[in-house]
Amino acid sequence: DGGITQSPKYLFRKEGQNVTLSCEQNLNHDAMYWYRQDPGQGLRLIYYSQIVNDFQKGDIAEGYSVSREKKESFPLTVTSAQKNPTAFYLCASSIAPNYEQYFGPGTRLTVT
Amino acid sequence: AQSVTQLGSHVSVSEGALVLLRCNYSSSVPPYLFWYVQYPNQGLQLLLKYTSAATLVKGINGFEAEFKKSETSFHLTKPSAHMSDAAEYFCAVSPSPGGSNYKLTFGKGTLLTVNP
Repeated sequence: DGGITQSPKYLFRKEGQNVTLSCEQNLNHDAMYWYRQDPGQGLRLIYYSQIVNDFQKGDIAEGYSVSREKKESFPLTVTSAQKNPTAFYLCASSIAPNYEQYFGPGTRLTVT
Repeated sequence: AQSVTQLGSHVSVSEGALVLLRCNYSSSVPPYLFWYVQYPNQGLQLLLKYTSAATLVKGINGFEAEFKKSETSFHLTKPSAHMSDAAEYFCAVSPSPGGSNYKLTFGKGTLLTVNP
């Protein structure tokens, strides 16, 4: 079955540690996205990538970093510079920019 | 610039009643419009999409939405609510392909509660 996988489902870290969230897709989509979701705030775009080896900052990129070395993979690193990292993180992909996006199951990150 | 406003952060209906979730958008270019559903602790699932073809769009699980350009609206409806419809619903807008803005902009979501 084609789809998007995110791992792990739940992640716990101590403040000051960097953490990397995994996102893999086998849909052969060119574009991939990372969103952050907080209660009552909808989805906010962190980074997006339209093609391999290229990515752009979204609305809330500070404290985050990404890479896109392979078409199917778009890992997100939450760095210690992110002031409020505890959130639900969603990865998505689309066949091309502006088309419908398909979402992974999400990773809930808790930093204490 | 584009934006989405979902009227009502929380809608409550009885089982069997009409579901109406409101979405208004603004876009400087012809838009694509989407409705997504999210169950607790899960990702978003695409319910339906408008891509400049028919203005009345049918989606999964009996939902449909009508694109009204004059009202800049894309409201989501379902004739008869089922308990399994309880979830959070998100409306989203993007420029139609070819535009320079590649972002999908989401509304803040509407939580639908279905009462037995």
